[in-house]
Amino acid sequence: ETGVTQTPRHLVMGMTNKKSLKCEQHLGHNAMYWYKQSAKKPLELMFVYNFKEQTENNSVPSRFSPECPNSSHLFLHLHTLQPEDSALYLCASSQGQWGTDTQYFGPGTRLTVL
Amino acid sequence: AQSVAQPEDQVNVAEGNPLTVKCTYSVSGNPYLFWYVQYPNRGLQFLLKYITGDNLVKGSYGFEAEFNKSQTSFHLKKPSALVSDSALYFCAVRVVNQAGTALIFGKGTTLSVSS
Repeated sequence: ETGVTQTPRHLVMGMTNKKSLKCEQHLGHNAMYWYKQSAKKPLELMFVYNFKEQTENNSVPSRFSPECPNSSHLFLHLHTLQPEDSALYLCASSQGQWGTDTQYFGPGTRLTVL
Repeated sequence: AQSVAQPEDQVNVAEGNPLTVKCTYSVSGNPYLFWYVQYPNRGLQFLLKYITGDNLVKGSYGFEAEFNKSQTSFHLKKPSALVSDSALYFCAVRVVNQAGTALIFGKGTTLSVSS
């Protein structure tokens, strides 16, 4: 499980705050992902990066802004969030974005928006 | 539409009994299928995957899954359940879209193993 780390593990923020989630992978992978996990709903893919380039934005509101400075790090910048954005945010990585490659997940950041 | 379904929200089994967690899929082309497990307050852990070859796939912690093309299913199985297997299980399938490939996940099935 230490292959993909996420910080912070828990975050409480107000709707006017700006915060960032961080993900780091130590597996030498080239693709990284952000997922949102809400109660009673399937995992929702938010963003995909492959070789630092964003390859997918799954109609995510602009109040979520991803950043991938290199293949090992992925950020999710948050601003003016809504209470319905409260969820577990999971980061994952895989060798390539080719579908056959296993995705390895971090422990997640539990976000609460007040 | 491409999709994956887990028809059961919860599966209850007694320790030592066999368990099955069901998954069906609908994709265009050859399916690439995955099972993940999530323990409380943890991320998803990879269990096993089917890409090609033998229809019976063996994975971590004694789990296995059988790919059935005619029934478009990929059910997760274990011959003898342990209390420590209690967790949330996700089936996932690769889909191909305009941007490339991605995984879509089922809504998850909670497995509860009683002692």
